[in-house]
Amino acid sequence: AQSVTQLDSHVSVSEGTPVLLRCNYSSSYSPSLFWYVQHPNKGLQLLLKYTSAATLVKGINGFEAEFKKSETSFHLTKPSAHMSDAAEYFCVVSEGFQKLVFGTGTRLLVSP
Amino acid sequence: GAVVSQHPSRVICKSGTSVKIECRSLDFQATTMFWYRQFPKQSLMLMATSNEGSKATYEQGVEKDKFLINHASLTLSTLTVTSAHPEDSSFYICSAASGGTGELFFGEGSRLTVL
Repeated sequence: AQSVTQLDSHVSVSEGTPVLLRCNYSSSYSPSLFWYVQHPNKGLQLLLKYTSAATLVKGINGFEAEFKKSETSFHLTKPSAHMSDAAEYFCVVSEGFQKLVFGTGTRLLVSP
Repeated sequence: GAVVSQHPSRVICKSGTSVKIECRSLDFQATTMFWYRQFPKQSLMLMATSNEGSKATYEQGVEKDKFLINHASLTLSTLTVTSAHPEDSSFYICSAASGGTGELFFGEGSRLTVL
């Protein structure tokens, strides 16, 4: 079975500083990986996805993630945090036809 | 982009009653819809996969008689929580797969509180 591990339950940054949200995956074959964002009491929005094309994936709102097979990682980054980035972020792996397995989530806190 | 609508967004009910949550794909046909449950400050857990016109496939540990799923059309799936109890209180989220592209879109979720 495939799985993802989000290494930090909370990450706190100051506005304007870089963001790094860490994710490691476990998969027996080449995985499809995603990052989703969830604002309070809202549904999920897809930030970006990796599907075996370019290893550096650019998403919406300035986010990007790099697939590193040797490290089994898919960390999410953003050069400069904005207050509106404060939310819950989920790293997700696809376990076959559209069936998603979610990580435990990382809450990003952005202070002024 | 594609829109998935869930209704109601919030519902409060008494213990023992049944509650129906609707998930609609507004501008595309969804051959497959997924229902997730999210406890406070926890991740999403897949409950079941519903395919239009056939019985839903439930994940291990999910009671099919407790959580009735119907996918009667290509744009609508419903989740009915039968004889709800306080422990059923949760945030329920659906996602719909576009029949054309296969891309997944999520609803905004429905918060159920059982008193």
